[in-house]
This record gives sequence, C-alpha cells and structure tokens, in this order.
Amino acid sequence: GQQVQQSPTSLVLQEGENAELQCNFSTSLNSMQWFYQRPGGSLVSVFYNPSGTKQSGRLTSTTVIKERRSSLHISSSQITDSGTYLCAMERGGRALIFGTGTTVSVSP
Amino acid sequence: NAGVIQTPRHKVTGKGQEATLWCEPISGHSAVFWYRQTIVQGLEFLTYFRNQAPIDDSGMPKERFSAQMPNQSHSTLKIQSTQPQDSAVYLCASSAGGGSSQNTLYFGAGTRLSVL
Repeated sequence: GQQVQQSPTSLVLQEGENAELQCNFSTSLNSMQWFYQRPGGSLVSVFYNPSGTKQSGRLTSTTVIKERRSSLHISSSQITDSGTYLCAMERGGRALIFGTGTTVSVSP
Repeated sequence: NAGVIQTPRHKVTGKGQEATLWCEPISGHSAVFWYRQTIVQGLEFLTYFRNQAPIDDSGMPKERFSAQMPNQSHSTLKIQSTQPQDSAVYLCASSAGGGSSQNTLYFGAGTRLSVL
C-alpha cells in the first residue's frame, strides 16, 4: 500500500482563503520534504522539514515525526499558489518516497 | 547555477527502439536520483547514485532499464526495447547529501518520453 498518503486529493479555494494539506506516513521516517509543482512545471522544494515548524512567507510546515505526519498550511491563498503540492519521506538514507499530491486551485 | 539539466526535453520513440536520457546534476552535488512521473502512478523512484556509485536501484524495472554515472557531471538512463507503458516524464534530481538542508532535492525539468 501507499507509504505516503496525502489529503485531500484536491482543493478548490477562493483567493484569500486559508488551507491545510495533510501528509501521513505508514512507516517510521527520518525526515520529510514538501514540494510544489506547477502544471507542466518542475518540482521545487518548498520545505525540508525533519521536525517542528518552519515558515516561509505564507506557507507553514509542521512535522511531528513520532506521529508520522506533516502538514502544510497556506494562508491568504493567491492564484499563483495553484498547482500540486507533494510530500515525500526519507527513511534510513534511502531515496525519497513521494505521496500522490494535493492539487490546489485558487480562483479569484 | 543552472540547476539540474536534463536532455532531451522531449523524446518520441517507436515501440522496440532504445531511448537514452541524460542528466547533468548541480555542480558539487554528490547524490543523483532518477524518478518517473505518470498521472496514474505519480512519482516513482527508479534509482540513485552517491559519489557516482549505484546505491539503490530497487525501483528499476529489471529487464530493460539501466542507469550509469560515468563521472560526477552526468548520469544516463537507458531504456532498451521501449514499450508504450514506458511513456512518462523521467525526472532527475540531485542533492548535496550530508545532513540538514543539504538533503534538499533539486529536480530537473524532466524528459517527456512518448513511445508510439
């Protein structure tokens, strides 16, 4: 089964709304990362977050390793936030394993 | 810093032909990863190298796929006898390795392979 589960699968927002994306891991992990991908675009790392809370602009990531979960909070969403957000886990020096992503659509 | 460079951006092959995909990691990065992305399967890990040595190829289809890293400045992914189900975007990524933010993965723009 999926080792990395993301929810929701998709999200539609009105500009200015907040959103919370969830990532849950079925196995223990060392760290995790959040990535962003614009349609047809490259994957860009948003956060490398092995634990705790990190903030970058309107994005905040909170990871609780012991509980095998991480969240990404988008505040005051903008149209340019539209795209797919993927989380990925790192385990024991092995390559990242990705979730299937949350597709976010922000409309005016 | 030009980022991770992948060539070609698009490749179309006929069924049964060979395809070779190229990746130039970020200079100084010690780890290189190959993934493929499809709508159905999402991002699937294929293989990775650290300091040019193959570390984990557990995601590679065993029979027709091979990857090499002959020097620190490039890696290749070769698919022999391509099949329609090989159609995907193949992504290369590199990281500096080590701890903390050095583990951040940087992806190339990908090679879109279409097997007719």
